[in-house]
Amino acid sequence: SQKIEQNSEALNIQEGKTATLTCNYTNYSPAYLQWYRQDPGRGPVFLLLIRENEKEKRKERLKVTFDTTLKQSLFHITASQPADSATYLCALNRDDKIIFGKGTRLHILP
Amino acid sequence: DTAVSQTPKYLVTQMGNDKSIKCEQNLGHDTMYWYKQDSKKFLKIMFSYNNKELIINETVPNRFSPKSPDKAHLNLHINSLELGDSAVYFCASSQDRSDTQYFGPGTRLTVL
Repeated sequence: SQKIEQNSEALNIQEGKTATLTCNYTNYSPAYLQWYRQDPGRGPVFLLLIRENEKEKRKERLKVTFDTTLKQSLFHITASQPADSATYLCALNRDDKIIFGKGTRLHILP
Repeated sequence: DTAVSQTPKYLVTQMGNDKSIKCEQNLGHDTMYWYKQDSKKFLKIMFSYNNKELIINETVPNRFSPKSPDKAHLNLHINSLELGDSAVYFCASSQDRSDTQYFGPGTRLTVL
């Protein structure tokens, strides 16, 4: 069955550094992969989508890569700020649905 | 001008009761979903409707019954509530199937 793994449950990064989150998947080749941000007590919010024929996508301080050979996506936040602290969810499409990873709780330390 | 709204935000009830959660989207999307997020924060799809037609029904107990009166609304009715039903339930919508999801604020259901 489809499995999505996000590298760690929690990650602490010093303010100003680059935070890198990992998403690995098995048993499937999605046409695209998405990243969402979830703050406590709120619904996930879409950040970026990357397609299988794209190596990299950027949006302001965010960068996503997609390696279909390694079956891995990396999500980078450069010049991280305490306001970037949240849970980040990786998601991939399969048939008519989106399957979410368990998320990584990112803490940016001032 | 909330995009996806749900009511109520909090729901506390006794075991065995029946309750409903309502969801509305004003984005003009064709597809709506119900997700369950348990205490371990794992977000799992329950149902999906496309143009009022049920297209996804994951292995959810039949005590859960979704209803889509029109494209903009998807309600969730739960019969005979159990302790294990305690979770946060999110409604979401997307333009097309498995497209970018727009989530509501969630309904925290607590079954006592």
